[in-house]
Amino acid sequence: DADVTQTPRNRITKTGKRIMLECSQTKGHDRMYWYRQDPGLGLRLIYYSFDVKDINKGEISDGYSVSRQAQAKFSLSLESAIPNQTALYFCATSTGGPGGQPQHFGDGTRLSIL
Amino acid sequence: RKEVEQDPGPFNVPEGATVAFNCTYSNSASQSFFWYRQDCRKEPKLLMSVYSSGNEDGRFTAQLNRASQYISLLIRDSKLSDSATYLCVVNLGGAGSYQLTFGKGTKLSVIP
Repeated sequence: DADVTQTPRNRITKTGKRIMLECSQTKGHDRMYWYRQDPGLGLRLIYYSFDVKDINKGEISDGYSVSRQAQAKFSLSLESAIPNQTALYFCATSTGGPGGQPQHFGDGTRLSIL
Repeated sequence: RKEVEQDPGPFNVPEGATVAFNCTYSNSASQSFFWYRQDCRKEPKLLMSVYSSGNEDGRFTAQLNRASQYISLLIRDSKLSDSATYLCVVNLGGAGSYQLTFGKGTKLSVIP
């Protein structure tokens, strides 16, 4: 199921570097999300977007920025990476509609900051 | 403050057993409820939505108890392939909110 594609799949980089994680989808969904997952902490929402040029902060947006370049593309940037941003990052999409709609996840990006 | 709470487990059960997980949520106005499955180091995948009247999908049954603010997942005739972490997911904000809150998951190991 490659409807939600994340690149890169794995990345190791150094403290202070700028990193961009990319997400593209072929599901035709309006809503896109970025999460990080840490052991013992579960999934936490970083940013979400309901349409092109619509950007909303999630639970843990500090140190991150996003860009919704097109309906199908949503990228996450770490302007100056730090070691505690080491985590598994997921992009997700959902349809519009009232309340919470089920979200569909990409394969994830495993990011390590040294 | 724990808003979507699950027993982390692990639940170790033999093949063929029936196992049930519960999940409690903090906001009575919550409208949407889901169970996701996540295999180790993989992405979460939607297992099933949870409807007010309860619903079943093969060996899996989901129930919602609004009065006590919990949802449950029952797995019958457990298979080795059911071994995974099961995430309870709720839109805590109700109809006006589009965000989902994920529980930390319950780990299930099905043993031969």
